Amino acid sequence: DIQMTQSPASLSASLGETVTIECRASEDIYNGLAWYQQKPGKSPQLLIYNANSLHTGVPSRFSGSGSGTQYSLKINSLQSEDVASYFCQQYYDYPPWTFGGGTKLELK
Amino acid sequence: QVQLKESGPGLVQPSQTLSLTCTVSGLSLTSNSVSWIRQPPGKGLEWMGVIWSNGGTDYNSAIKSRLSISRDTSKSQVFLKMNSLQTEDTAMYFCARTTAPHFDYWGQGVMVTVSS
Repeated sequence: DIQMTQSPASLSASLGETVTIECRASEDIYNGLAWYQQKPGKSPQLLIYNANSLHTGVPSRFSGSGSGTQYSLKINSLQSEDVASYFCQQYYDYPPWTFGGGTKLELK
Repeated sequence: QVQLKESGPGLVQPSQTLSLTCTVSGLSLTSNSVSWIRQPPGKGLEWMGVIWSNGGTDYNSAIKSRLSISRDTSKSQVFLKMNSLQTEDTAMYFCARTTAPHFDYWGQGVMVTVSS
């Protein structure tokens, strides 16, 4: 199974700041990566797929990048509604599709 | 619009079988695939398995021996059955449309507690 390692596990940032979350795969996943946002008490919502494609309706302040085994999610100009947990998911190799452990983003 | 909704018992006794239903609307199960994904309290996400639009299934090898996913296309329902439940199976269980394959529409989830 491909292991996904996210960092940091938690993050505190100020409104308007730029935030970056990293995800490392245990082997090359050839851009087969998605990012999800999960607000407290809610189900995850797709943000990014194919490592850098923005899902319909997702604000443009979210962006994804990376290749090989290293990927990142960037949030420009942090808003209060961005407080959530963020998860990466690889879908290059299955079964199983696997998720990172998550990053909890809070406001400073 | 696309909607998925999970239903099932909130409490299951250890060693018993869990049965969950995912009822979908706004999409056809003959042209869409649906996965089950679970999340223990305060923890990360675990993909459990998928039923493809052609009716085939794939499962996470970690739980494959205990898991079965099926569907009734006429009722727009997908079913999960998992046997020999233990306390570590306590989790929120989600169904999600599986496209490409990432998960672009999710249900609200159903909390399942395994306890005597």
